[in-house]
Amino acid sequence: GAVVSQHPSWVICKSGTSVKIECRSLDFQATTMFWYRQFPKQSLMLMATSNEGSKATYEQGVEKDKFLINHASLTLSTLTVTSAHPEDSSFYICSARTPGTGGNTGELFFGEGSRLTVL
Amino acid sequence: GNSVTQMEGPVTLSEEAFLTINCTYTATGYPSLFWYVQYPGEGLQLLLKATKADDKGSNKGFEATYRKETTSFHLEKGSVQVSDSAVYFCALNTNAGKSTFGDGTTLTVKP
Repeated sequence: GAVVSQHPSWVICKSGTSVKIECRSLDFQATTMFWYRQFPKQSLMLMATSNEGSKATYEQGVEKDKFLINHASLTLSTLTVTSAHPEDSSFYICSARTPGTGGNTGELFFGEGSRLTVL
Repeated sequence: GNSVTQMEGPVTLSEEAFLTINCTYTATGYPSLFWYVQYPGEGLQLLLKATKADDKGSNKGFEATYRKETTSFHLEKGSVQVSDSAVYFCALNTNAGKSTFGDGTTLTVKP
């Protein structure tokens, strides 16, 4: 199946610094990518929908100035956690949707996840 | 809005036991239904899916049937293995493109 890759898979940073996480679709073009946050032993919380060439659509309660999303190309979306604090420590997962055909929306593939620890 | 309700975990079974994880949904329109599996420290992998009523998705011995009349998509496996230990998520997707996930059910299979 299609491959979605995230980088880095884990990162430790100091409080107050910014961290960038990349999400790439390796073998297909994705006009839409999604960013999720997952707390320990909990489900995925959709943070935002990343649209290539336009602004991201954020879910209610997600600070857009805190979590900057850029979808600069059809194969790359980035999530930047700005001025990170310990409460931002979490597992961040991206997904990308393959192009749909015949009225179908395409299939969703997930990255491996990126674990952020803010000290 | 759309929602997915999964059987609460954790679920602990012995190897070769029968597995059922219940999933019911609420959605407008005609959603596609999915089961994803997440192994420790990893992202989600698609396990199986069904795109219309009465479809049965199957993979690696797991099965789930799209039941429109009961709005359910229960996951079953006849004989679990230790390697099936993971977190399982039921999800739905509508034509709008966004996916809605259940809370996940942790399965532990003991030898």
